[in-house]
Amino acid sequence: AQSVTQLGSHVSVSEGALVLLRCNYSSSVPPYLFWYVQYPNQGLQLLLKYTSAATLVKGINGFEAEFKKSETSFHLTKPSAHMSDAAEYFCAVSVNSGGYQKVTFGTGTKLQVIP
Amino acid sequence: NAGVTQTPKFQVLKTGQSMTLQCAQDMNHNSMYWYRQDPGMGLRLIYYSASEGTTDKGEVPNGYNVSRLNKREFSLRLESAAPSQTSVYFCASSAGGPSNQPQHFGDGTRLSIL
Repeated sequence: AQSVTQLGSHVSVSEGALVLLRCNYSSSVPPYLFWYVQYPNQGLQLLLKYTSAATLVKGINGFEAEFKKSETSFHLTKPSAHMSDAAEYFCAVSVNSGGYQKVTFGTGTKLQVIP
Repeated sequence: NAGVTQTPKFQVLKTGQSMTLQCAQDMNHNSMYWYRQDPGMGLRLIYYSASEGTTDKGEVPNGYNVSRLNKREFSLRLESAAPSQTSVYFCASSAGGPSNQPQHFGDGTRLSIL
């Protein structure tokens, strides 16, 4: 079984400040990990994905995430927040389950950017 | 660049009514999924179709049925709508196979059951 925990349902940062969104996972097999972003009234869009090629993954819009196996974490960061980053962010873990891609999503973190 | 298209975008139903949510993808993906999104609960899988011709229950299948009409289309049916089914419904697709394939989402159907 796998699970995802996102610490903090709401995070507020000032424009230009560091963004840090936390994600911890558990999985009985090596997982693939994803971050998605959801803007109001839209579906989820892929931000970045970890597929074991490199522990530091760069995504779109200046975001990156680091896979730390020892901490079972996959935290999302961005050095300088922009107003357009205000959205909800979801961490997800994916494993193979009998030929089916079983994906478990976290409960999401809403990011507010204060001007 | 249509990707995943869901119809309708909004719907209001009365308790006991039935309706079908439509989903189509144009990316030649093998796998398709239906999720519901409720505040504070993330996305919960209702049903999925790993490949054309197969469907399976997800985490919260009660009250729903699905049809994988062909490789492109995957519909979700509420036979007798209940207020607890008020939610935002998302259809997604993926290439399938290895678990490193991301899912692609539609823009959702906002459904209210009165």
